[in-house]
Amino acid sequence: GENVEQHPSTLSVQEGDSAVIKCTYSDSASNYFPWYKQELGKRPQLIIDIRSNVGEKKDQRIAVTLNKTAKHFSLHITETQPEDSAVYFCAAPYSGGGADGLTFGKGTHLIIQP
Amino acid sequence: NAGVTQTPKFQVLKTGQSMTLQCAQDMNHNSMYWYRQDPGMGLRLIYYSASEGTTDKGEVPNGYNVSRLNKREFSLRLESAAPSQTSVYFCASRTRAAQGQFFGPGTRLTVL
Repeated sequence: GENVEQHPSTLSVQEGDSAVIKCTYSDSASNYFPWYKQELGKRPQLIIDIRSNVGEKKDQRIAVTLNKTAKHFSLHITETQPEDSAVYFCAAPYSGGGADGLTFGKGTHLIIQP
Repeated sequence: NAGVTQTPKFQVLKTGQSMTLQCAQDMNHNSMYWYRQDPGMGLRLIYYSASEGTTDKGEVPNGYNVSRLNKREFSLRLESAAPSQTSVYFCASRTRAAQGQFFGPGTRLTVL
């Protein structure tokens, strides 16, 4: 199966600054990379995703970049706000592709300092 | 639309007891999944069902069984609960590969 590593485990930034979370994956056949946000006691919610035929995708203050050669992808949040405080998870297909679930990173606790 | 629903929300079991966690989705999704979430471990795939009538093991299937009852429902059964199965269990669904998964609200299970 796929192996996903996520860094850092905790990230503290000042409100208004940018935050970057990085993930690496092991299976070169993986073709889909979602990011989830989870607030305390709530379910994970999809915030952005990227497919392997695209290098970058942006949605307002959130962007994701993918480097297939290096097998890593990153989440970028600009102009951070207090409501961005949460745990963020990256993921990749459990076995490289197909309808077979996701392998998740261990999460990054993002703290926005006022 | 309710999306993905799960019952119960909370459950406490004694070691050796059995129970079934229920999951249903009303989005006409083909694929459904069960994950468990433990502190510091992220989410780990237990079982999945790519379509009605099929189920497959994920990363951590030992101690669990599943049933894809119909296109809407996917249940997870613990035959003989162990303390190591204390966790938060999430059900998810999606329409096809390379599409986002939608998660249910979770079931918080404690095994004493």
